[in-house]
Amino acid sequence: QVQLRESGPGLVKPSGTLSLSCGVSGASIININWWSWVRQPPGKGLEWMGEIYHSGSTTYNPSLRSRLTMSVDKSNNQFSLHLRSVTAADTAVYYCAKGGEGTIEYWGQGTLVTVS
Amino acid sequence: DIVLTQTPLSSPVTLGQPASISCRSSQSLVHSDGNTYLSWLQQRPGQPPRLLIYKISNRFSGVPDRFSGSGAGTDFTLKISRVEAEDVGIYYCMQATQFPWTFGQGTKVEIK
Repeated sequence: QVQLRESGPGLVKPSGTLSLSCGVSGASIININWWSWVRQPPGKGLEWMGEIYHSGSTTYNPSLRSRLTMSVDKSNNQFSLHLRSVTAADTAVYYCAKGGEGTIEYWGQGTLVTVS
Repeated sequence: DIVLTQTPLSSPVTLGQPASISCRSSQSLVHSDGNTYLSWLQQRPGQPPRLLIYKISNRFSGVPDRFSGSGAGTDFTLKISRVEAEDVGIYYCMQATQFPWTFGQGTKVEIK
């Protein structure tokens, strides 16, 4: 079974860049079509941020497109997220996830990132 | 963006009784490939979301058969035939037919 684990700083200063990585085990990142990031502000609902294909092709949520970059690191079997110019509104639990069958099949445990 | 509206927002249920959650989409979720990419997720307290149902009615691996999905076009339903204590949590519908993917606002299932 695929397992995903998010890693990165839990605290980011306003106007800084939020950077997270997602390590994948149980599957090769190049054998799975696409990977996603989803975030959830404390006590609130889910927001899809974007997805990246193993080829490196990306699709971003238009609400974040100007600030967001995703990338794949095939050699380390992981993928990453970089969100620039963060504000308190970007405080959330960030989940990395594996796509398939037109849905999100597996989710990481999530990591809380606070902007302060 | 496609808006998904769930009802009810809260559902107190007696153990062993059924529960039903509705998800209505602001536009048809039928993809140009003929599939309808409507999923249901469960989020237990303090846990990440977990996939229950995909493409309207397909149960994901390991999901108990008391969970079932139905619907078409813009109206979808998740049913729990007999609620168990472990079913407490928030349930979300999600569409992956059109970018950006979107989620319903969530329905809280709790035990009476």
